[in-house]
Amino acid sequence: GESVGLHLPTLSVQEGDNSIINCAYSNSASDYFIWYKQESGKGPQFIIDIRSNMDKRQGQRVTVLLNKTVKHLSLQIAATQPGDSAVYFCAELSGGSYIPTFGRGTSLIVHP
Amino acid sequence: DVKVTQSSRYLVKRTGEKVFLECVQDMDHENMFWYRQDPGLGLRLIYFSYDVKMKEKGDIPEGYSVSREKKERFSLILESASTNQTSMYLCASSSSGTSDYGYTFGSGTRLTVV
Repeated sequence: GESVGLHLPTLSVQEGDNSIINCAYSNSASDYFIWYKQESGKGPQFIIDIRSNMDKRQGQRVTVLLNKTVKHLSLQIAATQPGDSAVYFCAELSGGSYIPTFGRGTSLIVHP
Repeated sequence: DVKVTQSSRYLVKRTGEKVFLECVQDMDHENMFWYRQDPGLGLRLIYFSYDVKMKEKGDIPEGYSVSREKKERFSLILESASTNQTSMYLCASSSSGTSDYGYTFGSGTRLTVV
């Protein structure tokens, strides 16, 4: 079947580079944000989350930055590896809502 | 470590068949969701449930129904499958708690209707 990566913005990087994937969110009342990684043919996998009372959170090789002033979220991947090739998308949730709003995603291609 | 399980990775069904997609979560989550994902259209919400025996329509409920008889299980039913329902179907669950939502997806079911 067709890859979910079709029709999406694409970021191409070399192995070992740092990658930055961006997401503009829509609701200024959103208070919780998640980044997902989706490999071809698989379901989205949780990477990292952040609450609106923080502006930065770090995981293993990943960092999420939140700028509430401009409603912008970014995912930084350090020392990108070929296994990081996937579609990455963000999700936002506002208090009281059970239903996230998902970004369309960015296709990350890592060249060895 | 699998927390949201979808019963099938791939399914091929004939037009007009009744199709059941099953999803089970072991995180004691209150909320469960069914999405379909198509290239260029992103994730689209079909139905969701915030409690046993409760269901709410999402953005594209036409041609689908759901069942939630137990907290851990949420089934998506295609009453009469059509070729335009060929898609990747994703189940998700989340908590209603305030610490984090734990929004977790299953591995997906690729359904082809011929």
